Amino acid sequence: QQPVQSPQAVILREGEDAVINCSSSKALYSVHWYRQKHGEAPVFLMILLKGGEQKGHEKISASFNEKKQQSSLYLTASQLSYSGTYFCGTYAGNMLTFGGGTRLMVKP
Amino acid sequence: SAVISQKPSRDICQRGTSLTIQCQVDSQVTMMFWYRQQPGQSLTLIATANQGSEATYESGFVIDKFPISRPNLTFSTLTVSNMSPEDSSIYLCSVTETGLNEKLFFGSGTQLSVL
Repeated sequence: QQPVQSPQAVILREGEDAVINCSSSKALYSVHWYRQKHGEAPVFLMILLKGGEQKGHEKISASFNEKKQQSSLYLTASQLSYSGTYFCGTYAGNMLTFGGGTRLMVKP
Repeated sequence: SAVISQKPSRDICQRGTSLTIQCQVDSQVTMMFWYRQQPGQSLTLIATANQGSEATYESGFVIDKFPISRPNLTFSTLTVSNMSPEDSSIYLCSVTETGLNEKLFFGSGTQLSVL
């Protein structure tokens, strides 16, 4: 079953913060985050493993709460280069299922 | 990290024809997958390409429509058969290097338009 992402779209000014959420109706053991820029392939950002750890990539970090079956992606002091569509992904068997995506636009 | 070459990068095809998309990886990889991304949508897994055996298809996708080959650990093809305008999408090859539950690397995609 596809994880659910929110919000569907975000518009920010440079330097502002944003949070993207990903939730699942099934138990999660890991959550993946990817970013896809327009016209390009998705690029891996990070994996969150069971245990609630927080990871970071540039000024982008994420948390994972397996009890709530949720993960959140935090973008702080956003830059123009952060614009794109963010997807979370969860594994069911050997198949990675992606959420519907969150379109992020950072304006000067 | 794996480097994936996918071709063609784009094509415009006529209804009823078939297109074969190639995916070449610069190293041997365990898992290869084919995804479809319809305009403005998320990525949907079509199938897992298994080396030396038939691909494993996800619900809604069938071998007659999307035949897949994987003759070795570095190469796979996806054919979109008997195309209709509804097949217009981006098709993406992806791999994991070490196995299950690992991060995916993606090819640059094939943008297919069917007239």
